[in-house]
Amino acid sequence: EVQLVESGGGLVQPGGSRRLSCAASGYTFSSYEINWVRQAPGKGLEWVSYISSSATTIYYADSVKGRFTVSRDNAKNSVYLQMNSLRAEDTAVYYCTRVGVGTFHYWGQGTLVTVSS
Amino acid sequence: DIQMTQSPSSLSASVGDRVTITCQASQDISNDLNWYQQKPGIAPKLLIYAASNLETGVPSRFSGGGSGTDFTIIISSLQPEDIATYYCQQYDTVPYTFGQGTKLEIK
Repeated sequence: EVQLVESGGGLVQPGGSRRLSCAASGYTFSSYEINWVRQAPGKGLEWVSYISSSATTIYYADSVKGRFTVSRDNAKNSVYLQMNSLRAEDTAVYYCTRVGVGTFHYWGQGTLVTVSS
Repeated sequence: DIQMTQSPSSLSASVGDRVTITCQASQDISNDLNWYQQKPGIAPKLLIYAASNLETGVPSRFSGGGSGTDFTIIISSLQPEDIATYYCQQYDTVPYTFGQGTKLEIK
């Protein structure tokens, strides 16, 4: 069974940093792309970042470019989202998703990041 | 960026009704369009991929169609468990973009 488990969320002050992790199991991790998608409280879904299976291709939404960095460790079956210079508008539930042809087939349960003083 | 516009934003229907939600892309995306269902407090779930293909395990009362810029998802006979918010998503071009969502309620 494919499982994705996010961790690392919490309360962070504006301008601060946070590192999210996504631990995958139940499939050959190194064969699949991973995306991060977020959802602000009461709002819709926003795509955040993409990392290819070998980490050779990476994309970011304009709203996080230059502040967020995605990486993966295929030996640990994990993906990471380093978030710097956090703003109030980054407050959201962050989901990692396993992707096939641009389609988010599997989702984690999400981890809430709250940016507030 | 490709803009995705769903209509309606909210919808109230009765059990057994046929429900249609539409999604319009700001440019031609061929059939690179997915539909997701999200219930409160739970991660979204893929229902339909590549515009018209039903994900494994999704009830056959759900169907999708369209190509180019105009797409639909249809629930042929609404069930109480279908109450949720529905999102379309294009994957033709990065950044991937979602519609704003359609909140479906029982009348």
